[in-house]
Amino acid sequence: DIQMTQSPSTLSASVGDRVTITCRASQNIGNWLAWYQQKPGKAPKLLIYKVSSLESGVPPRFSGSGSGTEFTLTISSLQPDDFATYYCQQYHGYAYSFGQGTKLEIK
Amino acid sequence: EVQLVESGGGLLRPGGSLRLSCVGTGFTFDDYAMNWVRQAPGKGLEWVCGVGWDGGITGYADSVKGRFTISRDNAKKSLYLQMNSLTVDDTALYYCAREAGHSYALGYWGQGTLVTVSS
Repeated sequence: DIQMTQSPSTLSASVGDRVTITCRASQNIGNWLAWYQQKPGKAPKLLIYKVSSLESGVPPRFSGSGSGTEFTLTISSLQPDDFATYYCQQYHGYAYSFGQGTKLEIK
Repeated sequence: EVQLVESGGGLLRPGGSLRLSCVGTGFTFDDYAMNWVRQAPGKGLEWVCGVGWDGGITGYADSVKGRFTISRDNAKKSLYLQMNSLTVDDTALYYCAREAGHSYALGYWGQGTLVTVSS
């Protein structure tokens, strides 16, 4: 199975900051990488698919990049609504796996 | 509007069995692969299993392989998860999730159904 490792596990930042979350895959996953946002008590929400494609309705301050085994999610200017937990996810060989999550907290 | 509604969760003892259901509306159900994803209390997301549009292809996480079975009934627009030999580690909120359509990413999620395994 492919393991996904996110860093950091927790990130403290302020409104207006630029933040980056990293996700590493245990083997090459091509471009089958997605990012999700989850708020307490809610289902996850898809933000980015195929590494860098923005899901409809997601603000352009969110962006994704990377290839092969290393990927990043960047939020260019944090807004109050962005404080949440973020997960990366890969798809390979008809199986998915998620990173362990990054909790983005208000500093 | 796409809606996924799970049901069937509950409280049961270790070793027990349970069947979860998910009804999908607002889209052509048999056009999409479907998945189950779970989240233990206070923990992260864990993909459990998935099934292709016609039920012909399935995939399972190692943690549930041999104990859980995913299936679907396209005529009823329903997805199922048969869970056997349950352990306390299976305690979680179980989400039904659909591919986004433009990729394998999971674009639509239900609200989840809670399964609690406790002695």
